[in-house]
Amino acid sequence: EVQLVESGGGLVQPGGSLRLSCAASGFTFSSYWMSWVRQAPGKGLEWVANIKQDGSEKYYVDSVKGRFTISRDNAKNSLYLQMNSLRAEDTAVYYCAREDGPRPFDYWGQGTLVTVSS
Amino acid sequence: DIQLTQSPSFLSASVGDRVTITCRASQGISSYLAWYQQKPGKAPKLLIYAASTLQSGVPSRFSGSGSGTEFTLTISSLQPEDFATYYCQQLRTFGQGTKVEIK
Repeated sequence: EVQLVESGGGLVQPGGSLRLSCAASGFTFSSYWMSWVRQAPGKGLEWVANIKQDGSEKYYVDSVKGRFTISRDNAKNSLYLQMNSLRAEDTAVYYCAREDGPRPFDYWGQGTLVTVSS
Repeated sequence: DIQLTQSPSFLSASVGDRVTITCRASQGISSYLAWYQQKPGKAPKLLIYAASTLQSGVPSRFSGSGSGTEFTLTISSLQPEDFATYYCQQLRTFGQGTKVEIK
């Protein structure tokens, strides 16, 4: 059974940093692109970043470029999102999601809440 | 960047109703469109990909159609468990969502 379990969310002050993790199981993690998608309270879905199978390609939404870094450790079946210089508008539930070619985001984690507030 | 506009944003319907949600793309995207269902406090669930292909395990009352710039998600007979918010998606862009509530 495919499982994605996020962790690392919490309350952080503006300008602070946080590192999110996503532990994958039930599939060959190293064979898939992976994404982070977020959802601000009461709002819609926003794609944040994704990373190729071997980590050689990474893409970001403009609003997080230069502040967030996506990475992965295929030996540990884990995906990460390092978030620096956090802003109030980064407050959201962050989901990790698997990309499967024509079946985009076919599996999602349960999400982890990041709250940026003083 | 491609923009996706869903209509309506809010829909009130009864159990057994046929429901249609539209997603319009700002430029042609062939058939590269997916639909998701999200219930409160839960992660989105993939329903349809490639515009009309039903994801494994999704009930057949859900169907998708369209290509180019206009796409539709249809629920042939709304069930109590279908009351949720629905999103269309193409690559890194999501529509704004359509909330389906009980009339």
